[in-house]
Amino acid sequence: QKEVEQDPGPLSVPEGAIVSLNCTYSNSAFQYFMWYRQYSRKGPELLMYTYSSGNKEDGRFTAQVDKSSKYISLFIRDSQPSDSATYLCAMSARSNYQLIWGAGTKLIIKP
Amino acid sequence: EAGVVQSPRYKIIEKKQPVAFWCNPISGHNTLYWYLQNLGQGPELLIRYENEEAVDDSQLPKDRFSAERLKGVDSTLKIQPAELGDSAVYLCASSERGGNNEQFFGPGTRLTVL
Repeated sequence: QKEVEQDPGPLSVPEGAIVSLNCTYSNSAFQYFMWYRQYSRKGPELLMYTYSSGNKEDGRFTAQVDKSSKYISLFIRDSQPSDSATYLCAMSARSNYQLIWGAGTKLIIKP
Repeated sequence: EAGVVQSPRYKIIEKKQPVAFWCNPISGHNTLYWYLQNLGQGPELLIRYENEEAVDDSQLPKDRFSAERLKGVDSTLKIQPAELGDSAVYLCASSERGGNNEQFFGPGTRLTVL
């Protein structure tokens, strides 16, 4: 079993919909949680960074961490075709420790 | 501000041939990472540098892979000899210091081994 599980999709939704992307993990020591977006033939770019539990909001994006369930989520409101990309979760136990990555979920927003 | 620069963007080689990838990180970033990414997978760390010191190379297959970061700026990743299974995207990233500070990624080098 992988330390971080992420549904590869693809997830296809109509423009304007609310999108929910999720990762589960097994290591209870993880404290740092990140969401990266990766467009085709590009490198990943950081979207959201959360330490420990709770919610964080940035524009149309909201990241949630539920450490009791070992579950993290990324919500995208008013989704746009430009949001079509692969979304990767990444996490680690300490601030100077290796990032453990999910496999990524491919998201398609239909105009 | 220029981002992380990688070259070449694409490389096709025959198996058993050598290949090298080059990375120029963002100016001032002293931490540099090399990752391997297979299709449909997340990045896998190969090696992490703090300045010119390799502080984590536990995932680097040292029988055929080597890396260097002379003067703590540019870095080169080499494979010799390449195998069919090495076909992947090789990503370079940099950050201001080690740990979980934001990692900025280059576009990657897509390697195909025939």
